[in-house]
Amino acid sequence: DSGVTQTPKHLITATGQRVTLRCSPRSGDLSVYWYQQSLDQGLQFLIQYYNGEERAKGNILERFSAQQFPDLHSELNLSSLELGDSALYFCASSEGAGALETQYFGPGTRLLVL
Amino acid sequence: AQTVTQSQPEMSVQEAETVTLSCTYDTSESDYYLFWYKQPPSRQMILVIRQEAYKQQNATENRFSVNFQKAAKSFSLKISDSQLGDAAMYFCAYRRKTSGSRLTFGEGTQLTVNP
Repeated sequence: DSGVTQTPKHLITATGQRVTLRCSPRSGDLSVYWYQQSLDQGLQFLIQYYNGEERAKGNILERFSAQQFPDLHSELNLSSLELGDSALYFCASSEGAGALETQYFGPGTRLLVL
Repeated sequence: AQTVTQSQPEMSVQEAETVTLSCTYDTSESDYYLFWYKQPPSRQMILVIRQEAYKQQNATENRFSVNFQKAAKSFSLKISDSQLGDAAMYFCAYRRKTSGSRLTFGEGTQLTVNP
């Protein structure tokens, strides 16, 4: 158990819908990262927050948005869902934002868009 | 842009034997970090080992060690005395030294351990 929690574990929804994925980082960790793992794209970095501020952005679609709240939990919002958005979404956290900081991954949220 | 390539989609090894997983990467940076992550059937991503590019000494964690060849941009993972619990997907990952940089992952190598 990494100490990073993600809810829900599984999510099934329809195209065009909107969902929110939630992540609670390890106690004391200020950085949160979101990754998407899909069969065709592999593991891709989406976005990073550090202490409430966006720190880095990757291949995140405009239909997707994220935020980190004052209590440091983070939410990833996916809207106008398409079949291709079906994937495993990971949240990871680290104490700081340094490159050598170990990123601890949560168990992931498996999203299926029908 | 940095890229990470794992040319072996699948590998197998007999229990107690040694196996080496390959990884190459492309970068114009001189200082960076490299990682191996393991993803068992539970899908949890687990850090196996990490290497700092400016350190010439290869990292070792118990049965896991790396062969880091900076000039060749190669970063292979050696698993000694393979155990059934080592069966998993293994991902090589790169991270720039810049604060806030993301992990860039390879495609993964599925390792099977045969009893």
